[in-house]
Amino acid sequence: ETGVTQTPRHLVMGMTNKKSLKCEQHLGHNAMYWYKQSAKKPLELMFVYSLEERVENNSVPSRFSPECPNSSHLFLHLHTLQPEDSALYLCASSQAHFPGRGKNSPLHFGNGTRLTVT
Amino acid sequence: KNQVEQSPQSLIILEGKNCTLQCNYTVSPFSNLRWYKQDTGRGPVSLTIMTFSENTKSNGRYTATLDADTKQSSLHITASQLSDSASYICVVSERDDKIIFGKGTRLHILP
Repeated sequence: ETGVTQTPRHLVMGMTNKKSLKCEQHLGHNAMYWYKQSAKKPLELMFVYSLEERVENNSVPSRFSPECPNSSHLFLHLHTLQPEDSALYLCASSQAHFPGRGKNSPLHFGNGTRLTVT
Repeated sequence: KNQVEQSPQSLIILEGKNCTLQCNYTVSPFSNLRWYKQDTGRGPVSLTIMTFSENTKSNGRYTATLDADTKQSSLHITASQLSDSASYICVVSERDDKIIFGKGTRLHILP
């Protein structure tokens, strides 16, 4: 059973809607991430929070707005999305901010939110 | 440009057969390489991690190899089972801590 929980699992929204994705991690990790997964493309890093401070923002459009109220919770607020934003949005956490370091900091992913923008 | 290329893009094999997935990378400076398994409708889960000095590592029926000189890794699956149907993603870390994902290989195991 995953230690990272994402809700909702599926979301269909119109281009004028506002919605939020939620992520919660029960692993005591210090870093949390939002990734976008589109068909036949590598995972794209969107945002990184370390100890509740945003440390990376990879040129993501402003229609995506992250929020990290504490080290266990992460939100992605969505507004005026485009059809090309339809994808699987994955939340992840790691023990350290730098998941590339060593054997003890793999990324732990949630099961994602499948987003469809109509 | 640092890249991770995986092949094949997809693969279909019969249950019980072996298969090998490939990962070539141009990431430098290299820190480590992980293989993740992503079941349909799930997030990726780490299978193995290989550092510069490690050539081979096993996790049950999964065996990963790494040739740091040629910048190639493989994931060998022995005696495949239906539950092995998934996407397998190769992820390479730079020494400055950026991680770079491959597009994945989609593996289908047929009964």
